[in-house]
Amino acid sequence: DADVTQTPRNRITKTGKRIMLECSQTKGHDRMYWYRQDPGLGLRLIYYSFDVKDINKGEISDGYSVSRQAQAKFSLSLESAIPNQTALYFCATSDRRFGNTIYFGEGSWLTVV
Amino acid sequence: RKEVEQDPGPFNVPEGATVAFNCTYSNSASQSFFWYRQDCRKEPKLLMSVYSSGNEDGRFTAQLNRASQYISLLIRDSKLSDSATYLCVVNKGAQKLVFGQGTRLTINP
Repeated sequence: DADVTQTPRNRITKTGKRIMLECSQTKGHDRMYWYRQDPGLGLRLIYYSFDVKDINKGEISDGYSVSRQAQAKFSLSLESAIPNQTALYFCATSDRRFGNTIYFGEGSWLTVV
Repeated sequence: RKEVEQDPGPFNVPEGATVAFNCTYSNSASQSFFWYRQDCRKEPKLLMSVYSSGNEDGRFTAQLNRASQYISLLIRDSKLSDSATYLCVVNKGAQKLVFGQGTRLTINP
């Protein structure tokens, strides 16, 4: 089983709908992240959280919100999805005790039509 | 100019060949560096960290040149299973990782 689990793995949604991507981890890491990946643009950071009470915007947070419900859970919401949010989304974790190496979930493919 | 730049490729090389990629970064204060490997439609996975003194892991060698602000990855005796996209990652500090767009490598039989 994956240490970093994302749900759903694939979703097609309509413009204007609210969609939530969930992430849970069994690695015991303190830090969690949400990235999106688009062809030719690489991975870009949406939000990150260093612990349950800490939430920080990344470089492309507009149109997204997050919730860190527990150390092991970090969800990403698109309040009103738009087509240019169609992308591959990755949750990731790291821990300062282990050199902050980033470990990724398997990804969630989101298509907004 | 992008903070981290890679040649997107694709690089097509025969099995057994040696192949090298470079990655340049713009922020001289960058603190740590990594190579990740990403297979098609899969998550990136850490291949190796890049240390100032250079480091080797089997057929893979990574080097850092701070003066010229680039890191490199060398793959010797390439295998079909090395076909993937290789992502250069730079840590600017405060956990601000910047990813390159990746270099696509195909090893041909």
